Amino acid sequence: DVKVTQSSRYLVKRTGEKVFLECVQDMDHENMFWYRQDPGLGLRLIYFSYDVKMKEKGDIPEGYSVSREKKERFSLILESASTNQTSMYLCASSSLARALFFGSGTQLSVL
Amino acid sequence: GESVGLHLPTLSVQEGDNSIINCAYSNSASDYFIWYKQESGKGPQFIIDIRSNMDKRQGQRVTVLLNKTVKHLSLQIAATQPGDSAVYFCAENLSTGNQFYFGTGTSLTVIP
Repeated sequence: DVKVTQSSRYLVKRTGEKVFLECVQDMDHENMFWYRQDPGLGLRLIYFSYDVKMKEKGDIPEGYSVSREKKERFSLILESASTNQTSMYLCASSSLARALFFGSGTQLSVL
Repeated sequence: GESVGLHLPTLSVQEGDNSIINCAYSNSASDYFIWYKQESGKGPQFIIDIRSNMDKRQGQRVTVLLNKTVKHLSLQIAATQPGDSAVYFCAENLSTGNQFYFGTGTSLTVIP
């Protein structure tokens, strides 16, 4: 079974803090994605990566950065957390066959 | 950009009945589709996928139908169980890109 593991289920941070969300997949997938999910807005793409050290902006990259130093790991960084970044963050990965699998999500609260 | 929409935001069914959840997509170039189930507080769970060279695909208790003529996708759940209660949403993908486009979801409630 494909496994996409997100390091934290719940996080509480303060405004201005730097936040790291980690994601690891065990299926040697080329593509990895970070989404945020908010009620009524559905899933919105923040960043994705199609190879090690490669990244592409999604629909809402402002306030975020990413890092992919190894194929299996894709990190999302909030440089200076703000209250409007309180959300459910979902990592996903896909192979060239395109099936997209999600992690269990990180519910981030910024106070 | 592309939009993927669901016809009904909520659906209630009796336990044991069949459920049908619908999805409309707008981009006729989309050639790959996925249905997800998402329970409260959890990440989306891959249910079943279908490529545009197929009209129908069956899994365990689930069937996905694709009508490319009217750009419509449906998920049928047979003998719906209380554990099927969740939000279901579809996703579409184009072979020319890496991005997926998602609907906002239909909330399925199974009445015991």
